[in-house]
Amino acid sequence: GQNIDQPTEMTATEGAIVQINCTYQTSGFNGLFWYQQHAGEAPTFLSYNVLDGLEEKGRFSSFLSRSKGYSYLLLKELQMKDSASYLCAVRPGAGNMLTFGGGTRLMVKP
Amino acid sequence: GAGVSQSPSNKVTEKGKDVELRCDPISGHTALYWYRQSLGQGLEFLIYFQGNSAPDKSGLPSDRFSAERTGGSVSTLTIQRTQQEDSAVYLCASSRPWEETQYFGPGTRLLVL
Repeated sequence: GQNIDQPTEMTATEGAIVQINCTYQTSGFNGLFWYQQHAGEAPTFLSYNVLDGLEEKGRFSSFLSRSKGYSYLLLKELQMKDSASYLCAVRPGAGNMLTFGGGTRLMVKP
Repeated sequence: GAGVSQSPSNKVTEKGKDVELRCDPISGHTALYWYRQSLGQGLEFLIYFQGNSAPDKSGLPSDRFSAERTGGSVSTLTIQRTQQEDSAVYLCASSRPWEETQYFGPGTRLLVL
């Protein structure tokens, strides 16, 4: 089976840094994705990791350790507009379908 | 259009009725996916189309669910004899054959009374 775990909710302060963790146990591994989803809107792509290490893209960074089945999304200089759900997803095999975690709802407070 | 579009945006139906949900992928995207997002749950994979290959239907929850893709573009997800547990947001995504990223549409919010 496939199992992807991430915290349900997190709260952080505007201007701060927050790290959202994701652990996975899947039948295979062919890449890990992070998506952002504002309430009532479509998920939008943030990052993709297939090799171990850190991928940095502006205020957002994503890290992967395949041996530990672990990833995190790091958000720096938090803004109010970063309040959203953050979805961790794994592509378990050669097919392109994704298996998603339950999402982490991030609330950014002034 | 610039992105994936879905229609209708909202659908309310009575238990036992059939519904059809439509997805228009981004032009040139050969891969198309349907997912379901129930309240408070993660996205659940339903079905995947890639070019002219046979679709991967491994995520469809029951034989009441079916999908087709005509001409390699527009896709329709059909739910027959809807049940209350079918209430969810149905999301469609598409991708280029060489690209990892899936681009999602705004979804259809289905409510079965």
